[in-house]
Amino acid sequence: DQQVKQNSPSLSVQEGRISILNCDYTNSMFDYFLWYKKYPAEGPTFLISISSIKDKNEDGRFTVFLNKSAKHLSLHIVPSQPGDSAVYFCAASPWPGFNKFYFGSGTKLNVKP
Amino acid sequence: EAGVAQSPRYKIIEKRQSVAFWCNPISGHATLYWYQQILGQGPKLLIQFQNNGVVDDSQLPKDRFSAERLKGVDSTLKIQPAKLEDSAVYLCASRQTHSRNYGYTFGSGTRLTVV
Repeated sequence: DQQVKQNSPSLSVQEGRISILNCDYTNSMFDYFLWYKKYPAEGPTFLISISSIKDKNEDGRFTVFLNKSAKHLSLHIVPSQPGDSAVYFCAASPWPGFNKFYFGSGTKLNVKP
Repeated sequence: EAGVAQSPRYKIIEKRQSVAFWCNPISGHATLYWYQQILGQGPKLLIQFQNNGVVDDSQLPKDRFSAERLKGVDSTLKIQPAKLEDSAVYLCASRQTHSRNYGYTFGSGTRLTVV
């Protein structure tokens, strides 16, 4: 049972434009969300997080938006750069202290020069 | 800060054979995880350790998978006997008990192919 879903397996964006990666979840108990970035032959690396008390969190070019009523979050990358080309995973947990994260299947982002 | 170390990077075995993976977490990280990532899917938690104790192994196929973390540092994950569907990348991750962002640090993984 997939509790975290990333319905777009891939996304292609022109350099300098905005990349929007989407993630949906089904468990209303999820309270804390992470985005990870993964390059080939490497492990995922932590990118940005958001807790349910917020609806937005920014870190440089990366912004995560959370819509709890829709059980939806999105990652915006502005402006997109070729080095952002990677697989992006979203992950969710009922409570950060619980520390068991459920991952989506990932979206492969390709930023074209 | 050194990252999470895993070995081997790649392993090819025949079905019904056994295999073991090793993980050395970041120094001082009390929590250690093993994840299985099948091609095209997100990582799935197999087992979580806090120091040398198991916190969650509810998704570990215990008839064939085992894991240990002796002395609360290094960990090994074993599969015996392997099946074709065990082909995946096995990721080890660790985190500090009181981490600012609750994110894990992952190793590069071990890619297992069962033929």
